[in-house]
Amino acid sequence: DAKTTQPPSMDCAEGRAANLPCNHSTISGNEYVYWYRQIHSQGPQYIIHGLKNNETNEMASLIITEDRKSSTLILPHATLRDTAVYYCIVRVASRDDKIIFGKGTRLHILP
Amino acid sequence: DTGVSQNPRHKITKRGQNVTFRCDPISEHNRLYWYRQTLGQGPEFLTYFQNEAQLEKSRLLSDRFSAERPKGSFSTLEIQRTEQGDSAMYLCASSVSLAYEQYFGPGTRLTVT
Repeated sequence: DAKTTQPPSMDCAEGRAANLPCNHSTISGNEYVYWYRQIHSQGPQYIIHGLKNNETNEMASLIITEDRKSSTLILPHATLRDTAVYYCIVRVASRDDKIIFGKGTRLHILP
Repeated sequence: DTGVSQNPRHKITKRGQNVTFRCDPISEHNRLYWYRQTLGQGPEFLTYFQNEAQLEKSRLLSDRFSAERPKGSFSTLEIQRTEQGDSAMYLCASSVSLAYEQYFGPGTRLTVT
């Protein structure tokens, strides 16, 4: 079973920041938080990952709480192309080779 | 484009027929994964290879399913005696060992009638 809990769906206005929450209260000390997204009719796409520090790349920012029991993926200026299912995953990168996906959050960007 | 490619993109078959899908990973990626995704669900792991060795198989991979990666490059997934419950998107992904991310292909959508 997936080790994360996400809301099934969210809406966000185009141009605004989209904040996607994820709970992972049973995360272990050596497990990373990963985010992937899946645009309709495509395979999942890696977005970002982190261990305990906040991370930022060209796609998004990842904010992890100090106790590591939850995190938030931030898309700073959402566009219609960000409409997708977003998956929050915890895994040990070097050992757990397979990815265990949950149902994710379906993000709708509203024009 | 040097991403993961999968063929065919769509396959419609009748129950009881055999089907084979192909995955070409990103060049020099030594790990290759197969996942299955049904409507409204996240992808589920089926199996993975490191080079030509099949290192793990999910319990979802029944005896009717077989995967190969004979030369450590492309891989095939065969389903024998297809059933309607096999209807799904079959996704392939590749990575280098110990890499953080897996790169997914566009998938093969199987419909069993």
